[in-house]
Amino acid sequence: GQQLNQSPQSMFIQEGEDVSMNCTSSSIFNTWLWYKQDPGEGPVLLIALYKAGELTSNGRLTAQFGITRKDSFLNISASIPSDVGIYFCAGGITQGGSEKLVFGKGTKLTVNP
Amino acid sequence: DGGITQSPKYLFRKEGQNVTLSCEQNLNHDAMYWYRQDPGQGLRLIYYSQIVNDFQKGDIAEGYSVSREKKESFPLTVTSAQKNPTAFYLCASSMTSRETQYFGPGTRLLVL
Repeated sequence: GQQLNQSPQSMFIQEGEDVSMNCTSSSIFNTWLWYKQDPGEGPVLLIALYKAGELTSNGRLTAQFGITRKDSFLNISASIPSDVGIYFCAGGITQGGSEKLVFGKGTKLTVNP
Repeated sequence: DGGITQSPKYLFRKEGQNVTLSCEQNLNHDAMYWYRQDPGQGLRLIYYSQIVNDFQKGDIAEGYSVSREKKESFPLTVTSAQKNPTAFYLCASSMTSRETQYFGPGTRLLVL
């Protein structure tokens, strides 16, 4: 089945630093989504990407849909303490007429004030 | 407020008992999903429903059952056949089964 390799597994940074994380796969995906999850809460959608090569920003967040459709990255600029959490990538594929999401294992971000 | 609600937030059950987790949405979404999350892992799909009165097994359906009698509700039953039921359960919904999925706050199930 499809698998996503998300890296790094964890990051410890200082407030104000930029952050970069990525997901790669040997499979092709139709969509790429990036979610953030706070402890004990459900994931919240940050950015959705629908076309290969697409580069989309949401405030300090920027994500790109890889041109090969097998990868995506998420950048966070000028990190702040509230950026702490677990970031998940998800690749979307069409199966049986519906969109199935395959999730990475997450990148745990710690921001030191 | 529009959104997805899951109740309760925490649930404790004895081993061997069935337990039903609630998921309700007032977003008028056709599609609903149940995922399981274990520590340090990504989300794994248990069941999904594209429309009312229809549902399909996901990747880890064994030991679980669902129903979709109403558009806004998609309850998940964790049966005694599920070997390792302790986990964080997340419900999601989307306008259609081809649209972006949005998640509820989750229910943490602890089986003692």
